[in-house]
Amino acid sequence: SAVISQKPSRDICQRGTSLTIQCQVDSQVTMMFWYRQQPGQSLTLIATANQGSEATYESGFVIDKFPISRPNLTFSTLTVSNMSPEDSSIYLCGSRQGGITDTQYFGPGTRLTVL
Amino acid sequence: AQSVTQPDIHITVSEGASLELRCNYSYGATPYLFWYVQSPGQGLQLLLKYFSGDTLVQGIKGFEAEFKRSQSSFNLRKPSVHWSDAAEYFCAVALVQAGTALIFGKGTTLSVSS
Repeated sequence: SAVISQKPSRDICQRGTSLTIQCQVDSQVTMMFWYRQQPGQSLTLIATANQGSEATYESGFVIDKFPISRPNLTFSTLTVSNMSPEDSSIYLCGSRQGGITDTQYFGPGTRLTVL
Repeated sequence: AQSVTQPDIHITVSEGASLELRCNYSYGATPYLFWYVQSPGQGLQLLLKYFSGDTLVQGIKGFEAEFKRSQSSFNLRKPSVHWSDAAEYFCAVALVQAGTALIFGKGTTLSVSS
């Protein structure tokens, strides 16, 4: 199994600022994912981040708003840029060791509040 | 449209009673199917998964799920619910042709009454 940690666990930010969320996995993984969970809602995939390539964004999410880095096989960051109150959500990092039949693990999430 | 549907937003079950949480999918091909649980203040934990083979899948914490192709369903069951099972339950699918990331349903909140 993989253990995933995220920093920060929560933050309160002012609109117009940016926040970078870090995701650290305790083992090397092929795929890392970023999800958003808005209050009372399900998880929505933001992007898939593979090491050595550009992140792949889902419809409705763009790189200028959510730039992602994946410098190695255990680490990724998600930046929420030019924040507005609508960005208030829980942001979760996920990882998977290999192919689709491998278990996908999740971090504890980062609770973001934008004032 | 392709989707994962959990028809029940909130379910309340008495402790010791049986539980069934519904999940339906709408995809051209049979996806890979998962159930996750999210307890208050905690991250997501995988309960069980189905890829192929035996349509009745056993998971952790006494949960099981049955895949029914004819109904495009993957319902989660537990014969006797414990108070600690109160949580949010998410059904999820993954499609090889869609990039393999998990796509989640909207979730079902389970409350357990004494």
